[in-house]
Amino acid sequence: DSGVTQTPKHLITATGQRVTLRCSPRSGDLSVYWYQQSLDQGLQFLIQYYNGEERAKGNILERFSAQQFPDLHSELNLSSLELGDSALYFCASSVRATLGNTEAFFGQGTRLTVV
Amino acid sequence: DQQVKQNSPSLSVQEGRISILNCDYTNSMFDYFLWYKKYPAEGPTFLISISSIKDKNEDGRFTVFLNKSAKHLSLHIVPSQPGDSAVYFCAARSQTGANNLFFGTGTRLTVIP
Repeated sequence: DSGVTQTPKHLITATGQRVTLRCSPRSGDLSVYWYQQSLDQGLQFLIQYYNGEERAKGNILERFSAQQFPDLHSELNLSSLELGDSALYFCASSVRATLGNTEAFFGQGTRLTVV
Repeated sequence: DQQVKQNSPSLSVQEGRISILNCDYTNSMFDYFLWYKKYPAEGPTFLISISSIKDKNEDGRFTVFLNKSAKHLSLHIVPSQPGDSAVYFCAARSQTGANNLFFGTGTRLTVIP
């Protein structure tokens, strides 16, 4: 158990809809990272928040947004969903703003299926 | 643009033998490399890492080798055990963007009893 909790584990929704994925980081971790893993692809970095502020942005679509709340949990909002958005979405957390020489701890992921 | 590549989608090894998983990268600004292991229905878990100033790091049965001139790293597991069966991801961090990791597509290791 990494200590990172993601909900829900599975989500099935229709095209055009909007969903929210939730992540609770490990106790004491201030950074939250979101990654997307599409079929047969590596994990692609989407966005990072540190202590409530956006810290880094990767290949995140404009239809997607995220935020980190005062209690440090984070939500990833996906809107106007398309079939190609079907993927595993991982959240990871770490202590510092940059990964430094410490690894990130991953949650078990949310599997999103868009039909 | 896949900056970290794992060209072998799968690998099968007999229990007790050595498993060698390979990873290539293209970005010379990468300064830190990590291996993650992923079981089904779980998130990736950190296994071992290596800084670009080193060429080898060992932790028990796991050893990572880094060849900077070839932009290549490998993970050696000796001896391989059935519990090592999982997907292994190679990841790298850039000096200029230490906020995220670049991942390979993974290699599925199967250790046959």
